[in-house]
Amino acid sequence: DAGVTQSPTHLIKTRGQHVTLRCSPISGHKSVSWYQQVLGQGPQFIFQYYEKEERGRGNFPDRFSARQFPNYSSELNVNALLLGDSALYLCASSLNSPNQQETQYFGPGTRLLVL
Amino acid sequence: RKEVEQDPGPFNVPEGATVAFNCTYSNSASQSFFWYRQDCRKEPKLLMSVYSSGNEDGRFTAQLNRASQYISLLIRDSKLSDSATYLCVVNSGNQFYFGTGTSLTVIP
Repeated sequence: DAGVTQSPTHLIKTRGQHVTLRCSPISGHKSVSWYQQVLGQGPQFIFQYYEKEERGRGNFPDRFSARQFPNYSSELNVNALLLGDSALYLCASSLNSPNQQETQYFGPGTRLLVL
Repeated sequence: RKEVEQDPGPFNVPEGATVAFNCTYSNSASQSFFWYRQDCRKEPKLLMSVYSSGNEDGRFTAQLNRASQYISLLIRDSKLSDSATYLCVVNSGNQFYFGTGTSLTVIP
């Protein structure tokens, strides 16, 4: 079975541009979470979606938005890109809404470089 | 204060050594706990969940101390392939909080 897939794998943008990152969860998984990982740090939680509804949001500005589609895939959108948005963006899926002992499985990530 | 704190290391140990990592968390209501492993330029992968009674998986042993709010990971008989960054993860509500990771290099 395919794991979590993300596209694109790498992306270069300039300041002020907009970017859309895509994620397909493991088949049968209904929850998708997005994380930002800058070099030397652990992943930072951005959003969690379950059954197409936002269930959690981290401490990120409104330039970050996301949505989940009926097939449980998800998009992360970032507007007005800043240099500091350069990072690895990770998508994780879980069977149900992440709660006690629910394991998250990560995709390979999208490396975003903002110039 | 950060939700999850880890010593970033690096830990450089010889093959066959035993190494232990600790992690503290700030939210006493945290519900579940995990150790993930992340290789260079790869995504994090689940190493093991951490249960209140402690649990073992081969050479790896995880412990949880709720009273002191810390989690530990013990690796026995280190292998070269254990070289990676180990991330402590705490689930509070609908959010997963990651530590900065502890870097381990096992030296031949």
